[in-house]
Amino acid sequence: GAVVSQHPSRVICKSGTSVKIECRSLDFQATTMFWYRQFPKQSLMLMATSNEGSKATYEQGVEKDKFLINHASLTLSTLTVTSAHPEDSSFYICSARYRTGNTEAFFGQGTRLTVV
Amino acid sequence: AQSVAQPEDQVNVAEGNPLTVKCTYSVSGNPYLFWYVQYPNRGLQFLLKYITGDNLVKGSYGFEAEFNKSQTSFHLKKPSALVSDSALYFCAVRGATGGFKTIFGAGTRLFVKA
Repeated sequence: GAVVSQHPSRVICKSGTSVKIECRSLDFQATTMFWYRQFPKQSLMLMATSNEGSKATYEQGVEKDKFLINHASLTLSTLTVTSAHPEDSSFYICSARYRTGNTEAFFGQGTRLTVV
Repeated sequence: AQSVAQPEDQVNVAEGNPLTVKCTYSVSGNPYLFWYVQYPNRGLQFLLKYITGDNLVKGSYGFEAEFNKSQTSFHLKKPSALVSDSALYFCAVRGATGGFKTIFGAGTRLFVKA
C-alpha cells in the first residue's frame, strides 16, 4: 500500500518558537494532502486541504497565519506552527491521496507536538 | 454538508464474540465510506472502504462492513473479536464533490476482554 511518512513523530518546543512538520508521500504522487488535528480522546478535525502548487484551503476557525501550509511538490507538504503556545499542543496528522482515482487517503503516523 | 455519526463512545465485547461498531452518515450524492483504526499515539490505519458495488465490503484483519443506503449506515463488523482488536475506530465519509474532504466520526473505542 501507499506510504505516507510524517516527521518528526514527536517534538517539544518552547512557547513563541515555530515548529515545522513534514508530510511526505513516499511511493506515490499526491496532488492533495490534508492536515488534521486531534485532541486527546477526540476525533480528527480537518484543518486544511493542501493542493500542490497552490494556496491551502483552511477550514473555518483555523488561523492561516498561525498554521502555515506549503505544498511545494507532489510528494511533500509542510505544516509550520508559528509562535507556538501551549494550547497548540496536540497530535497533528497528515494524509495524502493519489494523483488520480477515487481512493482512500493514506495517513502519516502523526506528530505529537508539546509546547512548553 | 457531509457528516458522520458514531453513536457509541465505547463498545465492549468478549474475545471470540462478534462485534459491531456503528456508523451513520449524511452526504450529498453517492458516498465514499471508510473505516480506519488508530492505536495509541499512532496515525490511522486503513481497514476498508465502500465506493460502489457489493454492499458487504471485506477489509483488513477480518473486518467487514455493510453499506445500507436506505438507513445511511456503514456498520463495521467482525465475526470473532480478538483482544488485539482493542483500539479506536473511526468511520469517515467523503462526498464526490467539495474538494474530496474526508470527514471523520467522533470515534468508537473498542475493548475486547479476554
